[in-house]
Amino acid sequence: QVQLHQSGPGQVEPSQSLSLTCAISGDSVLSNSAAWNWIRQSPSRGLEWLGRTYYRSRWFNDYAVSVKSRATINADTSKNQFSLQLNSVTPEDTAVYYCVRDERGAADYYYGMDVWGRGTTVTVSS
Amino acid sequence: DIVMTQSPLSLSVTPGEPASISCRSSQSLLPSNGYNYLIWYLQKPGKSPQVLIHLGSNRASGVPDRFSGSGSGTDFTLKISRVEAEDVGIYYCMQGLETPLTFGPGTKVDIK
Repeated sequence: QVQLHQSGPGQVEPSQSLSLTCAISGDSVLSNSAAWNWIRQSPSRGLEWLGRTYYRSRWFNDYAVSVKSRATINADTSKNQFSLQLNSVTPEDTAVYYCVRDERGAADYYYGMDVWGRGTTVTVSS
Repeated sequence: DIVMTQSPLSLSVTPGEPASISCRSSQSLLPSNGYNYLIWYLQKPGKSPQVLIHLGSNRASGVPDRFSGSGSGTDFTLKISRVEAEDVGIYYCMQGLETPLTFGPGTKVDIK
């Protein structure tokens, strides 16, 4: 059974960096059929995809335009985990952050976001 | 970006009665491989979202058969044949065709 275990602070000061980590059990960050995503949820923005990292002989990253200049998603193969760093946060970044796996099968079959972490409530406030 | 819309945004249903939610995308989610890259999720109160339907019409493992998905291209529907109390929550559609992956605003379902 694949599980994602999130960790990171629940409060960040404005202009500082938000850092979250997602430890994977039951799968590998090097999976050639999975992508490892960060999604956030807030009342004002709903569910918002932030970006992903995935390995297909080499590493690929995609980011939402809204956070591209501030976000970095990295994988750590030695710890089988991935992380999100979001710089220069503002109160607008207050949200529940989820790490999420999405899975693709053979011939581009897409299973969707099939494994979610429990979510980390992050408040940007001084 | 592909914009996802849903209707209605809220729904109150009597147990045992059917329910239907519509999802529309701003562009077709059906590429040449024949798959509709439309996913349905349910977020139960206090929980993370869970997949109900993938590729428009395929129930995810463990999802009761009272849930069904249909549609193609830009218009999709999620139907619950007989709503049960455990079905309360917010239902979201999501397009998985291209990045940025985008979600609909959600349809809140509660029980009368």
